[in-house]
Amino acid sequence: NAGVMQNPRHLVRRRGQEARLRCSPMKGHSHVYWYRQLPEEGLKFMVYLQKENIIDESGMPKERFSAEFPKEGPSILRIQQVVRGDSAAYFCASSPQSLGKRHYGYTFGSGTRLTVV
Amino acid sequence: QQQVKQSPQSLIVQKGGIPIINCAYENTAFDYFPWYQQFPGKGPALLIAIRPDVSEKKEGRFTISFNKSAKQFSLHIMDSQPGDSATYFCAPRGNYQLIWGAGTKLIIKP
Repeated sequence: NAGVMQNPRHLVRRRGQEARLRCSPMKGHSHVYWYRQLPEEGLKFMVYLQKENIIDESGMPKERFSAEFPKEGPSILRIQQVVRGDSAAYFCASSPQSLGKRHYGYTFGSGTRLTVV
Repeated sequence: QQQVKQSPQSLIVQKGGIPIINCAYENTAFDYFPWYQQFPGKGPALLIAIRPDVSEKKEGRFTISFNKSAKQFSLHIMDSQPGDSATYFCAPRGNYQLIWGAGTKLIIKP
């Protein structure tokens, strides 16, 4: 019963390169959330996706960042032309369905630590 | 706009002591009040959570106290152990978004 799987665990990119972060939700979970954590800070919401749908991307920078959750395969967070300020830990969480009154549980992955050099 | 204020930033407690971490919020629409525990290099893990219709919840050595009128909730760790050393986050929920506090780095000295 694997939890939320994120890979790679660590990713180093030079400025200007692209970073692709993958998240496989828990079995049976169809909702995925991406969060970013800067050092010594809490997590900041980026985007909420269901299969083939972006539900809310209000926390995601308008430029260079995109996310998808295809019908088959993991959710991908893509950062184009990375800059030093993109260095952070990126966490993915999943839930079994929309978090209405009766469902409160998010399960987080171990994160991808992106370092831009 | 800071919606969630967590305090203290860091805390050192002797083994067996009772660390208390506080979280103050502004948004009265929050409907779920969890505490997460995060170890270095790991993702946050749900520790304990409370709904706003309850004033206290206890799970093992962990207790949440909730004061709706003051818009505050706190985490108490009874009989703290060195293995409890971690960063703790409050993250009240509005709709599906968790709004995270800045974290409290807790160290339990043996």
